[in-house]
Amino acid sequence: DVKVTQSSRYLVKRTGEKVFLECVQDMDHENMFWYRQDPGLGLRLIYFSYDVKMKEKGDIPEGYSVSREKKERFSLILESASTNQTSMYLCASNTPGGEPQHFGDGTRLSIL
Amino acid sequence: GQQLNQSPQSMFIQEGEDVSMNCTSSSIFNTWLWYKQDPGEGPVLLIALYKAGELTSNGRLTAQFGITRKDSFLNISASIPSDVGIYFCAGQLVYTNAGKSTFGDGTTLTVKP
Repeated sequence: DVKVTQSSRYLVKRTGEKVFLECVQDMDHENMFWYRQDPGLGLRLIYFSYDVKMKEKGDIPEGYSVSREKKERFSLILESASTNQTSMYLCASNTPGGEPQHFGDGTRLSIL
Repeated sequence: GQQLNQSPQSMFIQEGEDVSMNCTSSSIFNTWLWYKQDPGEGPVLLIALYKAGELTSNGRLTAQFGITRKDSFLNISASIPSDVGIYFCAGQLVYTNAGKSTFGDGTTLTVKP
């Protein structure tokens, strides 16, 4: 079974801090994704990576950056956290050939 | 870009009732997916549909890929309390979108015992 592991289930940070959310997958998937989930807004794509060091902006990239130095790991970075970035963050992975995305359990991030 | 309209937004039903939800798109997909998200967890794949007209079951769940390739529905029969959660549809355009999915906004299901 595919396993997508997000490093923290809950995280509390302060405004202005630099925040790292980590995601690791164990199935050698080329694609990795970061989504943000807010009530009533569904899943919104922040960034997508299709290979090591390759990335593509999603629908809401402002205020975020990403890093993919190794195939299995995809990091989401909040350069200077703000209260409007309080949300549930979901990581996912798949292959480019149409396989469904596999999700991690999410990180609920609170910015105070 | 592509958008999915998922309805209803929420449902409150009695245990034992059947449930139906659907997704429609302004453009075609060649894969339709249905996920369920339990409270506090990530979405988990329920059913994947790869062919227009395909009808697939998974226990009490049945999903269909619309003939026009612009819609899909999910039915849950004889609901039970553990069916509670958010159900998402997703469409994929294989070979052109490199594995990205377009997601609906979700249907939140509440089941009263």
